[in-house]
Parts: sequence; C-alpha cells; structure tokens
Amino acid sequence: GEDVEQSLFLSVREGDSSVINCTYTDSSSTYLYWYKQEPGAGLQLLTYIFSNMDMKQDQRLTVLLNKKDKHLSLRIADTQTGDSAIYFCAERPYRDDKIIFGKGTRLHILP
Amino acid sequence: GAVVSQHPSRVICKSGTSVKIECRSLDFQATTMFWYRQFPKQSLMLMATSNEGSKATYEQGVEKDKFLINHASLTLSTLTVTSAHPEDSSFYICSARDSQRFYTDTQYFGPGTRLTVL
Repeated sequence: GEDVEQSLFLSVREGDSSVINCTYTDSSSTYLYWYKQEPGAGLQLLTYIFSNMDMKQDQRLTVLLNKKDKHLSLRIADTQTGDSAIYFCAERPYRDDKIIFGKGTRLHILP
Repeated sequence: GAVVSQHPSRVICKSGTSVKIECRSLDFQATTMFWYRQFPKQSLMLMATSNEGSKATYEQGVEKDKFLINHASLTLSTLTVTSAHPEDSSFYICSARDSQRFYTDTQYFGPGTRLTVL
C-alpha cells in the first residue's frame, strides 16, 4: 500500500543544519515533495524532486533521494528561527492524481 | 505566481447550518483541485478530487451528500459542508494543480479555512 513515514519531531540549534528524513513505500512514485506548514496556515511547496534524480539543491535546501531504499531527506543549512514549522514529505504515485502525505515533522529551533 | 486563495479563512457556525468554502487559483488555470481535511497535529486527509466540468471523485469514507463540491470554472472550486455538526469542525485546505505545468505536476495549496461548528 501507499505509506509515507517521517519522524514527528526534530529539535535543532539555530545556525546548525536540520535534516528531516522520510521513507515511502510506493516504488512507482514519480514525484516526491517537501511542503512547509506554519501555524494556522496552508502548505507551502518548498521543493520537489523527480524520481530519476538523486539530489537537488536550492539555496539552503538540499534534497537527497535514495530510490533503492525509498528514502528521502531534506537538509536545511544554517537553520533560522523562521524555519520553525511542520515539514511534510509527500509522494505522488505513477499515474495517480493523489499526493500521499506523511504525518509531518515539527521542527523546533533552539536559541 | 501560483497563488491559491481560500475564503473564508475562518468561520464559526451553528449546528445544522451549511457552510460554503471557496478555493480560487488566482494566476493560473486549474482543471483539477483537491480538498483536504486536517485534524490537529495530524497530516492532511484527501477528501475529494474536483475536476472542472465534471463530478468530483470522493475518497472512501467521505460522504458526498454531506460535502458537496462544485468546480464550475477553471479557477474556482467550492466545498459546501451541509448540515454541519461539531464533528465537522476542522481545518479544510484546498489545492490546485496548474494545468499548464504538466511536467512538474505541482499542487499549490490555499491558506486553509478553519471551521468551527458550535
């Protein structure tokens, strides 16, 4: 079945790197996404990666994909207080309209 | 670009009334929009897929007569919660897929609507 798993909580000191991990089950997934949700707000697309890519970098964000292990990670360099939010990993299976979301990882920034 | 708006952002209503939530894609056309429901500290649960000019496709367990969806134009989808009850209180989020950007197939999300049924 379709399932996306991620840890629920991560605590990081300001200025350090944050690494949020995610595993998914559907090997046919063509798109994998990271969304950010701030309190009381909708979801903001942070970045996405195609299944035929291993890595994608966009400013402070680096996405790594290990397709063999069905493992996706999001690294945020130089974590700032504004990065405090819930981060959702998501997959879109091949030929499917739906996006399957994980439960979200709450990122807490320590001073 | 790729902005999706929702209206209202927050609504409080009495039990038994109906509430309509609008989802608009402001700067792109969306043949497909999605409606999600999010409970506190939980992930998004897809309720239905809304296709412009046709009937919505509901997920298993979602009552189509209770959650009426209309997608009459390429930029607007509405969700009507009929005869709302306290258990319908939740955060409702819509998303829209940019019809022109097939290669990214990216969904853009609205800011959400907080529904509280008294």
